[in-house]
Amino acid sequence: GQNIDQPTEMTATEGAIVQINCTYQTSGFNGLFWYQQHAGEAPTFLSYNVLDGLEEKGRFSSFLSRSKGYSYLLLKELQMKDSASYLCAVEDSNYQLIWGAGTKLIIKP
Amino acid sequence: IAGITQAPTSQILAAGRRMTLRCTQDMRHNAMYWYRQDLGLGLRLIHYSNTAGTTGKGEVPDGYSVSRANTDDFPLTLASAVPSQTSVYFCASSDGDPPTQYFGPGTRLTVL
Repeated sequence: GQNIDQPTEMTATEGAIVQINCTYQTSGFNGLFWYQQHAGEAPTFLSYNVLDGLEEKGRFSSFLSRSKGYSYLLLKELQMKDSASYLCAVEDSNYQLIWGAGTKLIIKP
Repeated sequence: IAGITQAPTSQILAAGRRMTLRCTQDMRHNAMYWYRQDLGLGLRLIHYSNTAGTTGKGEVPDGYSVSRANTDDFPLTLASAVPSQTSVYFCASSDGDPPTQYFGPGTRLTVL
């Protein structure tokens, strides 16, 4: 079966750094996405990794290791507005996205 | 219109009733998707369409049907609603490489 694992909830302090991990077992791999979803809103695209390594985009970075079936999203200089759920999704061999249940990130002042 | 719109925003429906959720995009994307999102679960694909005139079944298609008569519209129909279809429904579209999906605001559906 196909499986995406993420921690259910994490807590971090404003101004700090947090790393959200994602491990996956899927039928094939065509890329990995990270989305942000604020409560009551739609998911919005954050990052995409298809090759191993780190992709940096401002305060957010995403890392991929295909051999380990592992990715992480790194958020730096945390702000209160970063309180949200972060969704990991893998595009499988059928070009469909398989979604993790999401990690709820709580930022405390 | 800018992006993807969905209607209605929310709906309370009696079990056994027929309901169509509407989705319209103005980005001329070829691919469109319907997901449901339930607490503690990831987004689950109901149906998809890779281009106008074609549709396919996702992970949880039972009880739902779709049509794709043109590029812009992708309605989702519940023929006879059941309480287990209570959920938040998101429509999405994508195009290009990478196939980033863009989501509508969602429809919150409650079936009693």
